[in-house]
Amino acid sequence: AQKITQTQPGMFVQEKEAVTLDCTYDTSDQSYGLFWYKQPSSGEMIFLIYQGSYDEQNATEGRYSLNFQKARKSANLVISASQLGDSAMYFCAMRERGTGRRALTFGSGTRLQVQP
Amino acid sequence: EAGVTQSPTHLIKTRGQQATLRCSPISGHTSVYWYQQALGLGLQFLLWYDEGEERNRGNFPPRFSGRQFPNYSSELNVNALELEDSALYLCASSLGLAGAYGQYFGPGTRLTVL
Repeated sequence: AQKITQTQPGMFVQEKEAVTLDCTYDTSDQSYGLFWYKQPSSGEMIFLIYQGSYDEQNATEGRYSLNFQKARKSANLVISASQLGDSAMYFCAMRERGTGRRALTFGSGTRLQVQP
Repeated sequence: EAGVTQSPTHLIKTRGQQATLRCSPISGHTSVYWYQQALGLGLQFLLWYDEGEERNRGNFPPRFSGRQFPNYSSELNVNALELEDSALYLCASSLGLAGAYGQYFGPGTRLTVL
């Protein structure tokens, strides 16, 4: 069974600094996708970034980058130049492509607080 | 382009009643997913619909059911409500079976069972 682990329940970062949110995963499937979502206090889940298991380069989207280390089964999210609006819950998620399942399996989340 | 929409925003019910939640996917998306997020917990997969058919369901009892309409909108029904059903219910849509990329979420329906 697939599993996502986020070991940091909460993180603090100073405004304008970079922060890394950890995510490790466990799967027996060779083909899978990894996702990061942001959930502000309003509750909506905002899609941030995607990494496919066969992608050779780390995904980047603006200030977000995904540090993908396949052998270690880790997919850490790096946020550069943190802003106050980045304060939110962040969820790592995975979908195994080979099983026919399309639903995402989520980690327990990391609450990021950006301090001025 | 309009995103995923959900209604109602908030819903208050009492134990034993039925709740109906609605979701409209992004235009062109044929897959709809339902997730439950209980307070302080992560998201748990409930149901997946594509092209009008239920494709997969999570580890939830049969009183959680739903359907997808010809216009790809979806409805989640929760029968015989229990206190622990109180949660944020999130709907997401994607490009269907061939879609390998992100699921896009709606704002959620917060269900409170008294």
